[in-house]
Amino acid sequence: GENVEQHPSTLSVQEGDSAVIKCTYSDSASNYFPWYKQELGKRPQLIIDIRSNVGEKKDQRIAVTLNKTAKHFSLHITETQPEDSAVYFCAASGAEGYSTLTFGKGTMLLVSP
Amino acid sequence: NAGVMQNPRHLVRRRGQEARLRCSPMKGHSHVYWYRQLPEEGLKFMVYLQKENIIDESGMPKERFSAEFPKEGPSILRIQQVVRGDSAAYFCASSPGADSPLHFGNGTRLTVT
Repeated sequence: GENVEQHPSTLSVQEGDSAVIKCTYSDSASNYFPWYKQELGKRPQLIIDIRSNVGEKKDQRIAVTLNKTAKHFSLHITETQPEDSAVYFCAASGAEGYSTLTFGKGTMLLVSP
Repeated sequence: NAGVMQNPRHLVRRRGQEARLRCSPMKGHSHVYWYRQLPEEGLKFMVYLQKENIIDESGMPKERFSAEFPKEGPSILRIQQVVRGDSAAYFCASSPGADSPLHFGNGTRLTVT
């Protein structure tokens, strides 16, 4: 089955800096890659996603890049703010579609003012 | 739109008791997914259901765990004879179709004493 590795497990940055979180996946048939943000004690919330037919997608301060050949994708957050502090999870779909999303173990991002 | 509703938010059970977790999907969503999250871990897929059908239960433990999504009413995740290792946060997600992003509920935190 699919295996998703996520790095780093923790990331501390100063407000205004950029943050990059990287994930690799094992199943070359995976075709959908969402990113979720989870604040302490709350539900995971979808912040951005990308499908395998594009290499990059941007939404304001958040961008995701995908390299299908190397089987890795990354989340980029620019001009970080304290409210960006949370745990971020990457995920990849199995060949069967979104129902079999496999998640990484998460990255705890701490943005210091 | 009320979002995905899960109840209870917190559930305490003694070893050997049964736990019943409920999930009402977002309005218009007919696909329901259950995930389990252990401390400092990612979300582990358990089961994917549509109305009256289990589509994929590859992540469900073979014993004591069952799930249903009846024609009327919420989806239920049932854990019989709970053990301490069942303590976790259980998240339900829904989508309008198999190729649509998942929207998560706030989770049920199960504690087995």
